[in-house]
Amino acid sequence: KNEVEQSPQNLTAQEGEFITINCSYSVGISALHWLQQHPGGGIVSLFMLSSGKKKHGRLIATINIQEKHSSLHITASHPRDSAVYICAVRGYQGAQKLVFGQGTRLTINP
Amino acid sequence: GAGVSQSPSNKVTEKGKDVELRCDPISGHTALYWYRQSLGQGLEFLIYFQGNSAPDKSGLPSDRFSAERTGGSVSTLTIQRTQQEDSAVYLCASSLGDRVGEQYFGPGTRLTVT
Repeated sequence: KNEVEQSPQNLTAQEGEFITINCSYSVGISALHWLQQHPGGGIVSLFMLSSGKKKHGRLIATINIQEKHSSLHITASHPRDSAVYICAVRGYQGAQKLVFGQGTRLTINP
Repeated sequence: GAGVSQSPSNKVTEKGKDVELRCDPISGHTALYWYRQSLGQGLEFLIYFQGNSAPDKSGLPSDRFSAERTGGSVSTLTIQRTQQEDSAVYLCASSLGDRVGEQYFGPGTRLTVT
């Protein structure tokens, strides 16, 4: 079993829909990252969070430390949101490396 | 300011040859990471440098892989005697190095071993 599990693996939706991508992890963490990777493009960090909730534009990330679960939400989705979204966690005690989920491929159709 | 840069952007090499991949982190970032993304696979950690501390090499897949970081800035990832399974996108990231620092990724080097 992977330390970081994402669901769904693939998601197709229509423009305007509310999107939720989930991430569950099995280890204690100091921080959780949500990353975005466009086809052929580099990786952009969307959020880094260790508790609660963060919002940036139409994107919202939440984390529940007790349940070892995080969600990434996209409101009023747009075709330009089509990308792979990756959840990654960082452990404790100076273990700075990230452990990644397999990613969720999101396609938003116009 | 400039982000993380990597070179070359693409590298095609023959099986058995050695390759060097370069990463220039963001100025002032003390932490530097190498990751690999194989086709159809997720990202995996390779090696981590933090200041003058000994690097965390726990992710290097074999002794054919090595990395160094000179002067606390530029890093080079070397793969000796390349194999076809080494084909992947190699990504570098840097951060300020504090305990929960955000990581900034470079564009990656796509390595193809023929």
